[in-house]
Amino acid sequence: QQQVKQSPQSLIVQKGGISIINCAYENTAFDYFPWYQQFPGKGPALLIAIRPDVSEKKEGRFTISFNKSAKQFSLHIMDSQPGDSATYFCAAGPYNQGGKLIFGQGTELSVKP
Amino acid sequence: NAGVTQTPKFQVLKTGQSMTLQCAQDMNHNSMYWYRQDPGMGLRLIYYSASEGTTDKGEVPNGYNVSRLNKREFSLRLESAAPSQTSVYFCASSPGQSNQPQHFGDGTRLSIL
Repeated sequence: QQQVKQSPQSLIVQKGGISIINCAYENTAFDYFPWYQQFPGKGPALLIAIRPDVSEKKEGRFTISFNKSAKQFSLHIMDSQPGDSATYFCAAGPYNQGGKLIFGQGTELSVKP
Repeated sequence: NAGVTQTPKFQVLKTGQSMTLQCAQDMNHNSMYWYRQDPGMGLRLIYYSASEGTTDKGEVPNGYNVSRLNKREFSLRLESAAPSQTSVYFCASSPGQSNQPQHFGDGTRLSIL
């Protein structure tokens, strides 16, 4: 089974700081890399996703950086806020095959006021 | 607009009992998914349905069965529950037949004694 390795497991950031979560994948055929945000007691929600035709995608304070040669991608949260405190999951898979997405283990982010 | 609705929210079973987890979406989505979430393991796909009338196994299908009752509903059945099936179960949906999961329900927390 292909793996997606996510780090760190937990992260504490001060309000206004930058949160960075990293993921690495193995299968070079993967071409879809989403990030999900999950609050306690709720289901995950699609936050932002990238395809390998670009190296960076930004939506508001959230940015995905993608390094195809290193098979790595990361989520950057700029100006982190206490409301961003949640668990974040990266995932990787083939874009046109629903059901083949592989999830990372998750990162629990805590933003301190 | 309710999105993806899962019932029940909590359930305790004894080993060997059976039960069905219900999922319904009101977004007219084609694809639906069942995941389980265990601590430190991210989300793992149990079964998915790319369209009404079709179902496929995911990463961890053993001990489960599914039914795509119609376009709205996708149920997950445990025929003979085992303690290893203690988990949080999430249903998800996406609009296309090949799209990756976008909308998740809030989960069913299942404990098997």
